[in-house]
Amino acid sequence: KQEVTQIPAALSVPEGENLVLNCSFTDSAIYNLQWFRQDPGKGLTSLLLIQSSQREQTSGRLNASLDKSSGRSTLYIAASQPGDSATYLCAVRGSRDSNYQLIWGAGTKLIIKP
Amino acid sequence: GAVVSQHPSWVICKSGTSVKIECRSLDFQATTMFWYRQFPKQSLMLMATSNEGSKATYEQGVEKDKFLINHASLTLSTLTVTSAHPEDSSFYICSANPGGIYNEQFFGPGTRLTVL
Repeated sequence: KQEVTQIPAALSVPEGENLVLNCSFTDSAIYNLQWFRQDPGKGLTSLLLIQSSQREQTSGRLNASLDKSSGRSTLYIAASQPGDSATYLCAVRGSRDSNYQLIWGAGTKLIIKP
Repeated sequence: GAVVSQHPSWVICKSGTSVKIECRSLDFQATTMFWYRQFPKQSLMLMATSNEGSKATYEQGVEKDKFLINHASLTLSTLTVTSAHPEDSSFYICSANPGGIYNEQFFGPGTRLTVL
């Protein structure tokens, strides 16, 4: 059974710093992995999608990497800004054997201090 | 990215009443939509998969008679919480995949339901 873990559960850093959020999963047989952000009381915003055959994806100041063999993905945020404060969720989509189910991490709550 | 909308964004109702939440895909057609529930400070919990023109598929432990799902068109799915009780108070979020159910998933803004 696939399990997705995000560490740390919460992170507070000064504005301007580069930071890394971690996501690990137990079953490497995945279809894709997606990073989202969720602002308080709001829905989810898709940030990056990495297919199982890809190693990384970039969008602006965000870079997500995927290492299937070790069951890890990282979300790198460069030059953090207060507007980056949110909860970041990692979701792993399983393969056909698991009916392509989407399994969620519990999230990392990020606070960027001005 | 694709846009998914939900209505209403929040609703307060009395215990025993029914509440309908709408989920629309605004710029794409979705044969499949997903309904999630989220409790405070917890991650999302998949409730059911809504299939256009057929019955929804409910996750284990989710009462289908309690949470009625109708997917009448390729752009609209509705979730009706019947005879709502305070324990049904939660944040309900819908989602759809424009490129097929295995690809990038987009989410609505959520509906905050409070049952008094």
